[in-house]
Amino acid sequence: AQKVTQAQTEISVVEKEDVTLDCVYETRDTTYYLFWYKQPPSGELVFLIRRNSFDEQNEISGRYSWNFQKSTSSFNFTITASQVVDSAVYFCALSEALGSGGGADGLTFGKGTHLIIQP
Amino acid sequence: DAGVTQSPTHLIKTRGQQVTLRCSPKSGHDTVSWYQQALGQGPQFIFQYYEEEERQRGNFPDRFSGHQFPNYSSELNVNALLLGDSALYLCASSFLSAGVRSYEQYFGPGTRLTVT
Repeated sequence: AQKVTQAQTEISVVEKEDVTLDCVYETRDTTYYLFWYKQPPSGELVFLIRRNSFDEQNEISGRYSWNFQKSTSSFNFTITASQVVDSAVYFCALSEALGSGGGADGLTFGKGTHLIIQP
Repeated sequence: DAGVTQSPTHLIKTRGQQVTLRCSPKSGHDTVSWYQQALGQGPQFIFQYYEEEERQRGNFPDRFSGHQFPNYSSELNVNALLLGDSALYLCASSFLSAGVRSYEQYFGPGTRLTVT
């Protein structure tokens, strides 16, 4: 069975600080997909990034960066120079490929990390 | 381009009743997944529909059932409601293009169900 652990329940930092959200996953599949979603107070989940299990290259998008390490089964998310608008609950999720036809299916989510950015 | 829409926004039901939630996928999407998110928890996968059939199912009892229509919209039905069914129900859509399904799922705003 697959599992996602986000050990940090809540993180509070002052604006402009860097912050890293941790994600550790478990899966028996060799092909899988990892995701990060943001859930603002409005409730709608916003897709941030997808990473395939066979691509360990780290990615940077503006102030956001992701560090994928298969050796430690981790997929951590760093926000540089945080802003108040970054305040939200962030979820890490995992999906295993079904096989023929490609694509990924039902997501397994962690419990989320509530990020509070104080002005 | 309309995103994923869900109705109703909020719903209050009594224990033992039945409820139907509705979802319209993002334009061009043909696959719909349903998730249950209890307060303070991450979403849990209920099931996924493609070509009007249930393609994958999470660990939910048979009280949870669904349907997908030819226009790709979907319904989630929950029978014999329990207090523990109170949650935010999220619908997500994805698509199949050039023989490959999208990996990203786009979520709707959810339906907040309260069972009293």
